[in-house]
Amino acid sequence: DIQMTQSPSSLSASVGDRVTITCRASQGISNYLAWYQQKPGKVPKLLIYATSTLQSGVPSRFSGSGSGTDFTLTISSLQPEDVATYYCQKYNNVPLTFGGGTKVEIK
Amino acid sequence: EVQLVESGGGLVQPGGSLRLSCAASGFTFSSYAMSWVRQAPGKGLEWVSSINSGGDYTYYADSVKGRFTVSRDNSKNTLHLQVNSLRAEDTAVYFCAKGGHYSNSPFDPWGQGTLVTVSS
Repeated sequence: DIQMTQSPSSLSASVGDRVTITCRASQGISNYLAWYQQKPGKVPKLLIYATSTLQSGVPSRFSGSGSGTDFTLTISSLQPEDVATYYCQKYNNVPLTFGGGTKVEIK
Repeated sequence: EVQLVESGGGLVQPGGSLRLSCAASGFTFSSYAMSWVRQAPGKGLEWVSSINSGGDYTYYADSVKGRFTVSRDNSKNTLHLQVNSLRAEDTAVYFCAKGGHYSNSPFDPWGQGTLVTVSS
């Protein structure tokens, strides 16, 4: 099975900072990569699918890139409301594995 | 508006069973794959199971294969997860999530979840 590895597991940044989260697949998954945001005590929310397509309503400060095995979620200017745990997920075939998550906090 | 409402969770002893349900509304349920994802307390997300739109193809994580059974009733817009032979490590919030027209689709949206606690 393909493993999904996220890094870092947590980060602390200042408001306005550019934040980058990495997700690596143990084998190629083409562009079948999604990112989810889970705010504390809330339900996960789809942010990005097909590596770089923003879900409707998601602020443009979020962006995704990559292909094959290496993918990136970028927040161009971190806002207080972005405090959350972010998960990547492969969905090219089963198992539809999630990464371990990256907790983003405000410094 | 798409709505997914889970039910059926609760406290169960090791080895016990539960039937989780997810009532869907706001979309043509029979046209979309559906999935279950769980989250143990303080832990990350774990994909559990998926079912295609027609209900004839089902998929499971290795950790639940042979113990959990996913099904759907397209006439009642309801997704089910029968969970048997429960273990302490199955303790989690179980979310249902809407997929796409095909099983290889991201999940959007998710329900609020139902808590399953396995303890004696």
